[in-house]
Amino acid sequence: SQQGEEDPQALSIQEGENATMNCSYKTSINNLQWYRQNSGRGLVHLILIRSNEREKHSGRLRVTLDTSKKSSSLLITASRAADTASYFCATDAWGTYKYIFGTGTRLKVLA
Amino acid sequence: SQTIHQWPATLVQPVGSPLSLECTVEGTSNPNLYWYRQAAGRGLQLLFYSVGIGQISSEVPQNLSASRPQDRQFILSSKKLLLSDSGFYLCAWRDTFGLDEQYFGPGTRLTVT
Repeated sequence: SQQGEEDPQALSIQEGENATMNCSYKTSINNLQWYRQNSGRGLVHLILIRSNEREKHSGRLRVTLDTSKKSSSLLITASRAADTASYFCATDAWGTYKYIFGTGTRLKVLA
Repeated sequence: SQTIHQWPATLVQPVGSPLSLECTVEGTSNPNLYWYRQAAGRGLQLLFYSVGIGQISSEVPQNLSASRPQDRQFILSSKKLLLSDSGFYLCAWRDTFGLDEQYFGPGTRLTVT
């Protein structure tokens, strides 16, 4: 079963603009991760944020986590055509060893 | 550093044939290992995970099975493939205590004809 849902399902922006994707989940978690997947390829790990953290940065990426709302957001600043990909969030619930993935956001950055 | 391998990269198999996909991890010990399947244009579905040699947990009852004969080897199998088994199969690992990031292999694209 899907633990998380990303919103929006698809997003199209111009190069240089910021892209924001949201993830909602259902149960209490240990960690939340964001991944990128280029078409037909494997998943690339972007950021892990722990349940006791509220914000993390990595280069042009900013992730926030609101455990009270069971939601997270991924912000990509100054987007590039190379950022075109699908983005997934994944959560692991307390007491489990497994990450469950959301449905993904398909981002298209237009040059 | 840790590396995860999957093979083959692409596979076309007829309905009713057997399947064996292999995943190996280098540079770590006693990892947690996972098999996911991704249908075209969809999210990832967790199929199996393993916290140790010979320990397999199945998430979705189906036509597939998994085995972990060695610490860093994870195998996905089927005795008779169905058309619905087509998809992109991804292996992943995370550290022993399951505290940190989960990393993925390059995947195997399976087409059942």
